[in-house]
Amino acid sequence: DVQMTQSPSTLSASVGDRVTITCRASQSIRTWLAWYQQKPGKAPKLLIYKASTLESGVPSTFSGSGSGTEFTLTISSLQPDDFATYYCHQYHVYPGTFGQGTKVEIK
Amino acid sequence: QVQLQESGPRLVEPSETLSLICSVSGGSITSYYWSWIRQSPGKGLEWIGYTNYLGSTNHNPSLKSRVTISVDTSKNQFSLKLSSVTAADTAVYYCARDRLSGWSTFDSWGQGTLVTVSS
Repeated sequence: DVQMTQSPSTLSASVGDRVTITCRASQSIRTWLAWYQQKPGKAPKLLIYKASTLESGVPSTFSGSGSGTEFTLTISSLQPDDFATYYCHQYHVYPGTFGQGTKVEIK
Repeated sequence: QVQLQESGPRLVEPSETLSLICSVSGGSITSYYWSWIRQSPGKGLEWIGYTNYLGSTNHNPSLKSRVTISVDTSKNQFSLKLSSVTAADTAVYYCARDRLSGWSTFDSWGQGTLVTVSS
């Protein structure tokens, strides 16, 4: 299986901060990567797919980049609603694998 | 806006079969792929398997042959059966829609249901 490693595991930030989360794959996954946001007690929500394509309805403060083995999710200006846990997910190598998550908490 | 809702027993005894149903509303199950995903503190998020409306299925090889996924287009529902469960199968189980391949881009999710395996 492809291992997906996210860093950091926890990130403390303030409203208005620029936040970057990294996801590394143990082998090339080209751009077959998605990002999800999950709030406590809720299902994950698709934010970005194909590494950089913003899902409909997702604020433009979110962006994704990368290819091969290294990817980033950037929130350009952190909003109160953005405090959550974020997961990357590769879907290049069957059966797909998720990262362990990055929790963005209030500083 | 499609909505998904999981239903089924919340407590399953070890060695028994876990059974869940996902009811789809606001859209037809005859498009897209329909998946099951679970989340546990120990293993994180794990894709279980998918079906399409024709009943074509696939599942995560890590679950070996314990998984059965089926679809009922007349009810706009699909279901999951996981046999020979152990405590390691305790998790929040989600149903989700995938618009690409069944294991890739999950754009709508149910709220999830916690299933506990215990005697």
